[in-house]
Amino acid sequence: DAKTTQPTSMDCAEGRAANLPCNHSTISGNEYVYWYRQIHSQGPQYIIHGLKNNETNEMASLIITEDRKSSTLILPHATLRDTAVYYCIFGAGGTSYGKLTFGQGTILTVHP
Amino acid sequence: KAGVTQTPRYLIKTRGQQVTLSCSPISGHRSVSWYQQTPGQGLQFLFEYFSETQRNKGNFPGRFSGRQFSNSRSEMNVSTLELGDSALYLCASSPHGRGTGELFFGEGSRLTVL
Repeated sequence: DAKTTQPTSMDCAEGRAANLPCNHSTISGNEYVYWYRQIHSQGPQYIIHGLKNNETNEMASLIITEDRKSSTLILPHATLRDTAVYYCIFGAGGTSYGKLTFGQGTILTVHP
Repeated sequence: KAGVTQTPRYLIKTRGQQVTLSCSPISGHRSVSWYQQTPGQGLQFLFEYFSETQRNKGNFPGRFSGRQFSNSRSEMNVSTLELGDSALYLCASSPHGRGTGELFFGEGSRLTVL
């Protein structure tokens, strides 16, 4: 199964950027990097995904290294509501048929 | 647009019983996946359905089964419940027919087996 490595936990001050790293050294050429987050007692929430290029949406930015072996999720101005478990996942896009392999994720705590 | 709806949200069963959980995907979404979440194992993929056909299956025993109806609503069933089946069961739908990783999850059904 596809495996990623993320820090167990991170802290961030409210209003500052939160940079969450992820290593995915075994990713293959057709596999996308996905980020999800899960706020306590809720279902996971899709954040962003990318293949090779950096991506940005209204929630976050995704920076993927040129060799695609690691990526960073950036929350530009973290708020208390961003406290959650963040999962970095990779999978073969349209052929994954709904299957995502979740690791343990990073517990991000945003402090006032 | 309404999100993914799961019912019931909470339920308590005893060992040996069976349970059926329901999931209504986002309107227009035809792919539905199911996940189990426990403190020990984290989030684990159960199965995925598209157009009433199971396309992908995780590594769970045959006691876990599912189906999808013509309106894309899905149910999963767990028979002969065991204590270890206590978990949060999450349903997710996808707008893409090929079931990409962009999934939209419901709030889950929390099952407690006594």
